[in-house]
Amino acid sequence: QKEVEQDPGPLSVPEGAIVSLNCTYSNSAFQYFMWYRQYSRKGPELLMYTYSSGNKEDGRFTAQVDKSSKYISLFIRDSQPSDSATYLCAFPGAGKSTFGDGTTLTVKP
Amino acid sequence: EPEVTQTPSHQVTQMGQEVILRCVPISNHLYFYWYRQILGQKVEFLVSFYNNEISEKSEIFDDQFSVERPDGSNFTLKIRSTKLEDSAMYFCASSEGAGGIYEQYFGPGTRLTVT
Repeated sequence: QKEVEQDPGPLSVPEGAIVSLNCTYSNSAFQYFMWYRQYSRKGPELLMYTYSSGNKEDGRFTAQVDKSSKYISLFIRDSQPSDSATYLCAFPGAGKSTFGDGTTLTVKP
Repeated sequence: EPEVTQTPSHQVTQMGQEVILRCVPISNHLYFYWYRQILGQKVEFLVSFYNNEISEKSEIFDDQFSVERPDGSNFTLKIRSTKLEDSAMYFCASSEGAGGIYEQYFGPGTRLTVT
């Protein structure tokens, strides 16, 4: 079993849609949960970060964590063409981060 | 806003040659990392570095690879005897501390092409 499984995509949605991006993980030691956004030919940039079960909201973005199910989600409301990117779930540890494979999102005007 | 920088942005080399990828981490950060992303694949951890020592490395980071902090600002990844399968984006990252609460800031990457 892979340590991190991310919904593969790609996803293509119309502008204004609600987007749901999802990851499951198997390592119970993961205590911190991050979502990175990666534009084409750029490095990942941190979008959302949380460490507890429940929801965390930041503008149009909501990160959701269910530790009991080992499941995390990122919701994007009112999606914009500028949200078109690859989204990576990440699980930071003491010396490294473990990344999901990424989901590529395209928001069409 | 401080950022991690990497040079060169694109490096083309012949199989069997040695390459050095360079990074300048954010100045007050103490922990440095290299990650690799083969085209179309996931971001993979290679190595972390703290206090002039490797603190953790992955199974990918074998004797072909080495890291160094030659001065107070640069952090380098050396790849000896490059192979075709080393072609990838290499990302440097840095953080203030170790552990999940510290954000790793990523550089823009160096695209390595081995021919």
